[in-house]
Amino acid sequence: GQNIDQPTEMTATEGAIVQINCTYQTSGFNGLFWYQQHAGEAPTFLSYNVLDGLEEKGRFSSFLSRSKGYSYLLLKELQMKDSASYLCAVRPNYGQNFVFGPGTRLSVLP
Amino acid sequence: DVKVTQSSRYLVKRTGEKVFLECVQDMDHENMFWYRQDPGLGLRLIYFSYDVKMKEKGDIPEGYSVSREKKERFSLILESASTNQTSMYLCASGFGGAGANVLTFGAGSRLTVL
Repeated sequence: GQNIDQPTEMTATEGAIVQINCTYQTSGFNGLFWYQQHAGEAPTFLSYNVLDGLEEKGRFSSFLSRSKGYSYLLLKELQMKDSASYLCAVRPNYGQNFVFGPGTRLSVLP
Repeated sequence: DVKVTQSSRYLVKRTGEKVFLECVQDMDHENMFWYRQDPGLGLRLIYFSYDVKMKEKGDIPEGYSVSREKKERFSLILESASTNQTSMYLCASGFGGAGANVLTFGAGSRLTVL
């Protein structure tokens, strides 16, 4: 089967750093994606990892360990606009069928 | 910019009614997807299509059907709506093959079945 786990909710303070974890067990692995979804809006792409290690993109970084079935999204210098849900998704095969986790709702407080 | 447009943002239907949700993308993507999103369950795949007239069942296809007569358009059909199909429906599209083929989502269609 396919299973992806993320914490349901997290809270952090403006200006701080927060790490959102994602663990996965899937039938195959051909990439892990992070999406951001503001309330009432469409998910938008944040990052992609297919090899082990850290990918940095401005204030956002994403890490992958394939042997551990583990990824995290790191958000630095948090801003109020970062309050959103963060979705972890794995593509198990080249058939483009993505499996999504339940999402982590992040609240950034002043 | 890639655009995925869903025909209806909000719909209210009665049990037993037939419901059409339409999705159009303008970037010549091969793959198109229909997900439903429910609190605590995340996005669950209903159907996807990797070519015109081709379709594959996702994780929860029961009670749904799809149609892809043209590359840019992917329709989701509820033949006889039921209350447990009240949900947010998200359409997405993307290129085929390997690599960072990102999904682009539409704004969603919130369906309420009474």
